[in-house]
Amino acid sequence: DAKTTQPNSMESNEEEPVHLPCNHSTISGTDYIHWYRQLPSQGPEYVIHGLTSNVNNRMASLAIAEDRKSSTLILHRATLRDAAVYYCILSLSIQGAQKLVFGQGTRLTINP
Amino acid sequence: NAGVMQNPRHLVRRRGQEARLRCSPMKGHSHVYWYRQLPEEGLKFMVYLQKENIIDESGMPKERFSAEFPKEGPSILRIQQVVRGDSAAYFCASSPRGPKEKLFFGSGTQLSVL
Repeated sequence: DAKTTQPNSMESNEEEPVHLPCNHSTISGTDYIHWYRQLPSQGPEYVIHGLTSNVNNRMASLAIAEDRKSSTLILHRATLRDAAVYYCILSLSIQGAQKLVFGQGTRLTINP
Repeated sequence: NAGVMQNPRHLVRRRGQEARLRCSPMKGHSHVYWYRQLPEEGLKFMVYLQKENIIDESGMPKERFSAEFPKEGPSILRIQQVVRGDSAAYFCASSPRGPKEKLFFGSGTQLSVL
């Protein structure tokens, strides 16, 4: 299974941008890059996903390297509610099925 | 449109008992996934089901665990003869069409085995 590598933890200040990196050097051509986050005592929440081009939505932006071996999740203006574990995931398409393989993620702390 | 509903929210069982965890996907979603999260760890994929079919069960332990998603009613994750090591948070997710669709997760069932 293609794996992702993320820093264990990161810290940022409220109202500042946050860049969460992810390495996925063994990504295959058909793997999508997904980001989910998990707040304490809750299920994961979808953030964003992309294949090759950079993506933007109301929550965040996803910047994908040209060779697709790495990507960065960008929170443009962090709030205290963004404190969570952020997972960078490659979706594996196996015989038409999808399996999201979660790693350890990055625990993001936001300082007031 | 209600989200993914899991019940019970908390389940306490003694060793050797059976645990049944239920998951109602979002309306219109026919794909269900089960994940398990041990304390201080990431989520581990267990099984992926469509209505009446198990598509991928590569993450399911070979014994005591089973899952179903009948034509009518919720998806059920069943753990027979529970042991202390089964204590974990079990999350269910659903999607409308499967591959490449974003997943909607429930709030999970916290299983505690005494």
